Amino acid sequence: QLQLQESGPGLVKPSETLSLTCTVSGDSIRNENYYWGWIRQPPGKGLEWIGTIYYSGSTYYNPSFKSRVTKSVDTSKNQFSLKLSTVTAADTAVYYCARQSVSSTYWFFDLWGRGTLVTVSS
Amino acid sequence: QSVLTQPPSVSGAPGQRVTISCTGSSTNIGAGYDVHWYQQPPGTAPKLLIYVNNNRPSGVPDRFSGSKSGTSASLAISGLQAEDEADYYCQSYDRSLGGSVFGTGTKVTVL
Repeated sequence: QLQLQESGPGLVKPSETLSLTCTVSGDSIRNENYYWGWIRQPPGKGLEWIGTIYYSGSTYYNPSFKSRVTKSVDTSKNQFSLKLSTVTAADTAVYYCARQSVSSTYWFFDLWGRGTLVTVSS
Repeated sequence: QSVLTQPPSVSGAPGQRVTISCTGSSTNIGAGYDVHWYQQPPGTAPKLLIYVNNNRPSGVPDRFSGSKSGTSASLAISGLQAEDEADYYCQSYDRSLGGSVFGTGTKVTVL
């Protein structure tokens, strides 16, 4: 059974870098049929796509984050990661990783992790 | 940064039918990109409810249905049940963004 699990510090200081890892179990991150994405949700607010990565290393970022975000994939550990630099209180959110199906006409997230709350505070 | 607009809330009595609209533009839904819907009960992660406009993943009741026309899409819930109380989000691809966009979200309340 496929599962995704986010991990990382729950508290990050302003101006520092937020680092999260998503561990995939039950499927290979090298599965050519899927991409892997990060989505966040500030408390009481809606969903916001951050970025997407393919196992080969190809990346797609939301322009709102492009200058601050880095995604990477570690196929040996079946993990992919997110780094968001120079964080502020506005980056406080639940961060989700998800498996993503992609074609010429669609992008959708068919399986999600449980999410991890990251608070930015001194 | 949502570019897909949904009503903030809809409500209905048990057994009734409710619909949620999702309005986009010429760079996303209107450009021919497919629409997908997610259900998020309180305190839980989103779950895929409808994909590629009108397809249900295994395990999703046929009370849920989706449609798409022009620059908009809709989610219908028939035979409303208490367990349907949740937030619902539409999602599509936006070519000006170069990635995914989500709707503003709709809270469904069962009266």
